[in-house]
Amino acid sequence: EVQMLESGGGLVQAGGSLRLSCAASGFTFRSYAMSWVRQTPGKGLEWLSTIGGSGVSTYYADSVKGRFTISRDNSKNTLYLQMNSLRAEDTAIYYCARGSDEYYHFWSDYWGQGTLVTVSS
Amino acid sequence: EIAMTQSPATLPVSPGERATLSCRASQSVSTDLAWYQQKPGQAPRLLIYGASTRATGIPARFSGSGSGTEFTLTISSLQSEDFAVYYCQQYKNWPRTFGQGTKVDIK
Repeated sequence: EVQMLESGGGLVQAGGSLRLSCAASGFTFRSYAMSWVRQTPGKGLEWLSTIGGSGVSTYYADSVKGRFTISRDNSKNTLYLQMNSLRAEDTAIYYCARGSDEYYHFWSDYWGQGTLVTVSS
Repeated sequence: EIAMTQSPATLPVSPGERATLSCRASQSVSTDLAWYQQKPGQAPRLLIYGASTRATGIPARFSGSGSGTEFTLTISSLQSEDFAVYYCQQYKNWPRTFGQGTKVDIK
């Protein structure tokens, strides 16, 4: 059974940092691109970043480029999101999602349960 | 960036009735479109990809159609478990973008 479990969310002050993790199981992790998607009441679902199966290729939304870094450890079946220079508007539920393929993550066929990040100003 | 617009924002439907949800892209995405269902407190669930292909385990009452800029998700006979928010997402270009959602409510 495919499972993904996010952790690392919490309350942080504006300007601070957090690292989210997503522990995956039930599939060959390195064979799938993985992404982070966040959800806020005001902006709905927002794709943030994708990383290819090997970890070489990465893609970012403009809203987080230069502040967030996606990475993965295929030996630990774990996806990460390092979030720096956090802003109040980064407050959201953060989901990790498995992509449809190894390279481009066209659609997300499995999602984690999400972890809440709250940035206080 | 390709903008995705969904309509209506809220769709009141009675159980057993048909629901038709729309999604429009600001430029052609061919058939590079997915639909997701989200219930309160849960993560989104993939329903449709390739504009019309049902994901594994998705009941046949869900169907998708369209290409280019106009897409439709149809739920042929609404069951109680189908009352939820539905999102479309394009994967033609980066950044991947979602519509703002259509909430299917009990009429």
